[in-house]
Amino acid sequence: NAGVTQTPKFQVLKTGQSMTLQCAQDMNHEYMSWYRQDPGMGLRLIHYSVGAGITDQGEVPNGYNVSRSTTEDFPLRLLSAAPSQTSVYFCASSSLRGRHNSPLHFGNGTRLTVT
Amino acid sequence: KNEVEQSPQNLTAQEGEFITINCSYSVGISALHWLQQHPGGGIVSLFMLSSGKKKHGRLIATINIQEKHSSLHITASHPRDSAVYICAVRSSGSARQLTFGSGTQLTVLP
Repeated sequence: NAGVTQTPKFQVLKTGQSMTLQCAQDMNHEYMSWYRQDPGMGLRLIHYSVGAGITDQGEVPNGYNVSRSTTEDFPLRLLSAAPSQTSVYFCASSSLRGRHNSPLHFGNGTRLTVT
Repeated sequence: KNEVEQSPQNLTAQEGEFITINCSYSVGISALHWLQQHPGGGIVSLFMLSSGKKKHGRLIATINIQEKHSSLHITASHPRDSAVYICAVRSSGSARQLTFGSGTQLTVLP
């Protein structure tokens, strides 16, 4: 299994440009999420989804859009990039089946620089 | 005050030492996760706990629900253990969201 595949690994944008960070998982996980990681701060949740057609906002959703048209894919769109969105972005997924929580599986991250 | 506090922020140890990283949280939780982030950036799930203790190789994780505290121990530490260790909690009031600590940078010297 590939697990969680995130692309691209690196991206440089100019202020005002838009782009989409791709995330795909092959584990049939219901839960998918996007985080950003900034120096000195913990991972912060941007958006998440508990199944196809269902998305919700996390802690820092402004400037980002998501959609979940299939179980496998959960793309993150930056509508108009700003320097404040310079960060490392992680996609993660987990199963929601069963009574107990299940571990999170992370992608390898995307390092985004907005100039 | 952050919901999840980790200590220490930075830790340097000699190879072979016993290491403890602490995590305190302020909310009721349904689960606590310990994650490892290597210098290359990838994040791996080490443990998920809702009570008691778990062991995997040289790593041991414990949780005290009443005291809202968890510890990650590494026995016989090795330079390859050098990484950032992150604690995250899933609050019992928000089953879908995790709150993360800011991480503990561990460096194990040969």
